Amino acid sequence: DAKTTQPPSMDCAEGRAANLPCNHSTISGNEYVYWYRQIHSQGPQYIIHGLKNNETNEMASLIITEDRKSSTLILPHATLRDTAVYYCIVRVEYGGSQGNLIFGKGTKLSVKP
Amino acid sequence: GAVVSQHPSRVICKSGTSVKIECRSLDFQATTMFWYRQFPKQSLMLMATSNEGSKATYEQGVEKDKFLINHASLTLSTLTVTSAHPEDSSFYICSAVPGMSNQPQHFGDGTRLSIL
Repeated sequence: DAKTTQPPSMDCAEGRAANLPCNHSTISGNEYVYWYRQIHSQGPQYIIHGLKNNETNEMASLIITEDRKSSTLILPHATLRDTAVYYCIVRVEYGGSQGNLIFGKGTKLSVKP
Repeated sequence: GAVVSQHPSRVICKSGTSVKIECRSLDFQATTMFWYRQFPKQSLMLMATSNEGSKATYEQGVEKDKFLINHASLTLSTLTVTSAHPEDSSFYICSAVPGMSNQPQHFGDGTRLSIL
């Protein structure tokens, strides 16, 4: 699986958009970009994933560059409860016995009042 | 959405005790479940892949006789830490993959294991 690079930490003001970058320059054509987050002392929570088109759901938006070498997770209106470690992971989309995710160090997002 | 339940959430026990952790998929069938371990200030590390009806596949460096995994049904996998020692103290997290669709992997809330 391709490796990802994320900044170790970011701050964001409450109510503002949080834009979390991720570089994945060695991504393969069949690999998806997944985003998870982990709030302190909890299991990771799925946020969103995409292949090449931008994606949006009730939690966030995912913007993938045309060359797919980087992406940005956008939390449109960050709240204090969005403070967490955010993981960007690239993986082939799976079903059945595939699917273990390789977690890097992620980005620790701190949302401040 | 898909829900994965993990029990217990916290265990404190004496050295030498065996501890069983349960992972259940509540609203879907999971042919595959994964067990991770997370030490303080570190990321999640995959321990093993649990497949329903067959033996688990362990990652390099993980002792299969110490971390017993049983995946007896499509909704339940258990991890037993045998003869636990203080160095086994960690945050253990399971995840499950819906068997028949390309749904994302979903995680339990983890078990904080403290061995005295």
